[in-house]
Amino acid sequence: NAGVTQTPKFQVLKTGQSMTLQCAQDMNHEYMSWYRQDPGMGLRLIHYSVGAGITDQGEVPNGYNVSRSTTEDFPLRLLSAAPSQTSVYFCASSPGGWGYGYTFGSGTRLTVV
Amino acid sequence: KQEVTQIPAALSVPEGENLVLNCSFTDSAIYNLQWFRQDPGKGLTSLLLIQSSQREQTSGRLNASLDKSSGRSTLYIAASQPGDSATYLCAAQTGANSKLTFGKGITLSVRP
Repeated sequence: NAGVTQTPKFQVLKTGQSMTLQCAQDMNHEYMSWYRQDPGMGLRLIHYSVGAGITDQGEVPNGYNVSRSTTEDFPLRLLSAAPSQTSVYFCASSPGGWGYGYTFGSGTRLTVV
Repeated sequence: KQEVTQIPAALSVPEGENLVLNCSFTDSAIYNLQWFRQDPGKGLTSLLLIQSSQREQTSGRLNASLDKSSGRSTLYIAASQPGDSATYLCAAQTGANSKLTFGKGITLSVRP
């Protein structure tokens, strides 16, 4: 099993550009989430999904869109990149519920200039 | 709203010392408490997961305990080694949507 795969690993964007961070899992997990990690702020939840076709906002959703058309994929879209979105982004998945933890991808390091 | 706290933010110990990393959470209605390790510039590796009905979990030199009533979890590392140097994060899983809330982590340095 590949687990949770994130692409790209590194990206540099100019202010105002848009892009999609890809996340795919091959474990048939229903729950998927996107986090951003910033120094001094810890990991903060951006958006999450509890199954195909179902998404909801997390703690810091502004400037990001998500969709979940399949169980496997959960892409994160930056509509108009801003320097404040410079961060490390992590995707995670879980079967959900008691006894089932989350598996994380290796992250995407995004710099907006 | 769940809040997770890890204090201190950094810890430096000599090799061989047994140590305890603390994690506290405000909402005791958790499903699971998960401990992660993060090396610099890397992703999160799951170390231990404790279900809300469990008191502790063990893996090798690591032991994690959970006390829901007091809102606390501890990660015990026995006979610490320089290779244990990393940031340790705890996360509480709550709600019907199984959302994870993270502490800010404890950066551990084990001196040879």
